[in-house]
Amino acid sequence: GAGVSQTPSNKVTEKGKYVELRCDPISGHTALYWYRQSLGQGPEFLIYFQGTGAADDSGLPNDRFFAVRPEGSVSTLKIQRTERGDSAVYLCASSSTGANTGELFFGEGSRLTVL
Amino acid sequence: KQEVTQIPAALSVPEGENLVLNCSFTDSAIYNLQWFRQDPGKGLTSLLLIQSSQREQTSGRLNASLDKSSGRSTLYIAASQPGDSATYLCAVWGAGSYQLTFGKGTKLSVIP
Repeated sequence: GAGVSQTPSNKVTEKGKYVELRCDPISGHTALYWYRQSLGQGPEFLIYFQGTGAADDSGLPNDRFFAVRPEGSVSTLKIQRTERGDSAVYLCASSSTGANTGELFFGEGSRLTVL
Repeated sequence: KQEVTQIPAALSVPEGENLVLNCSFTDSAIYNLQWFRQDPGKGLTSLLLIQSSQREQTSGRLNASLDKSSGRSTLYIAASQPGDSATYLCAVWGAGSYQLTFGKGTKLSVIP
């Protein structure tokens, strides 16, 4: 596609529920990143995929968070047993090169609200 | 741990004025630095990417400089317009890292 696409754009859920957020990167981009942005803060790194594998998942806050990219294109961020503190905007980005060399292109984010 | 600071946190200027946004980072071992723009409720739009070997990059009315040894970058906006109103974020790739580290941003308001 023309840009990074994220769905849903908004998600409201109840505490304890399971949530999936989807990212469709720019076609041909091998590198994919998930970031989380809280109000008034800069984005914080969650996980980086190069192809199908997670090359760095050190930013995932705990084992309730998991992400996959089974075919090296679309990625899904999965959050189990959601908590109110998980409320944030989840941003996805892709790049045509490997980590730390190329320009990142971001999607518009998925705003998650946990009630 | 890399830390990125942006000053000021907010800035309001009259239309037509030239302005400078500042970014500083604690670890000078970086691969590159990127400036982004974020409109309310939107994602990030890349403005300029400066590789660690470069001193500056220019795009239209925007000019970004990088002084890696002192851990500083500036974003210069010439002849500001109301459409420039947004939050501007600075981010660095640390050497040996897969992560961009972001500052909290500078919220710019250009008054007509």
